[in-house]
Amino acid sequence: DAKTTQPNSMESNEEEPVHLPCNHSTISGTDYIHWYRQLPSQGPEYVIHGLTSNVNNRMASLAIAEDRKSSTLILHRATLRDAAVYYCILKTSYDKVIFGPGTSLSVIP
Amino acid sequence: DSGVTQTPKHLITATGQRVTLRCSPRSGDLSVYWYQQSLDQGLQFLIHYYNGEERAKGNILERFSAQQFPDLHSELNLSSLELGDSALYFCASSAQRGGIHEQFFGPGTRLTVL
Repeated sequence: DAKTTQPNSMESNEEEPVHLPCNHSTISGTDYIHWYRQLPSQGPEYVIHGLTSNVNNRMASLAIAEDRKSSTLILHRATLRDAAVYYCILKTSYDKVIFGPGTSLSVIP
Repeated sequence: DSGVTQTPKHLITATGQRVTLRCSPRSGDLSVYWYQQSLDQGLQFLIHYYNGEERAKGNILERFSAQQFPDLHSELNLSSLELGDSALYFCASSAQRGGIHEQFFGPGTRLTVL
């Protein structure tokens, strides 16, 4: 199975952009890259996903490397409510879900 | 509120016992996923059901089993419980199979095995 790696923790100042990296060097061509975040005492919530092209939505942007071996979740202006654990996840064509270890994001006022 | 419900919220039981966790997906969602979150292992995918059929297995122990019923709710059965099974168990639903669909997570069931 493919695997993802993420930094254990990151810090950002409020209202600054945040770039959260993920490595998935063993990704296969049909695996989708998803990002979810988990606020304290809650279940994970969807942030964004993509396959090959960069993606934007109201929450964030996803930049996918050309070789697809890494991706970066971009929060354009971090707020205190963005403090959470961010998971980089692969969803495979055979319906498995592979979670990364997660990055704990702290936002400093 | 994601629209996914899980019962019970908390469960305390003893080693060797058997428990059943229940999940009701969002209305119309055909896929149900089960996950285990523990302090030492992080979030781990256990099993995926689509429209009543098992589609994929992850790190699910042989002591654990699941099923999805015709009304699309799902149950996760954990038997011969061990201390190490203490964890948060989440279910999530999505409209269809496949990587293109986002998942909606329930609030989780916290299992404590004493």
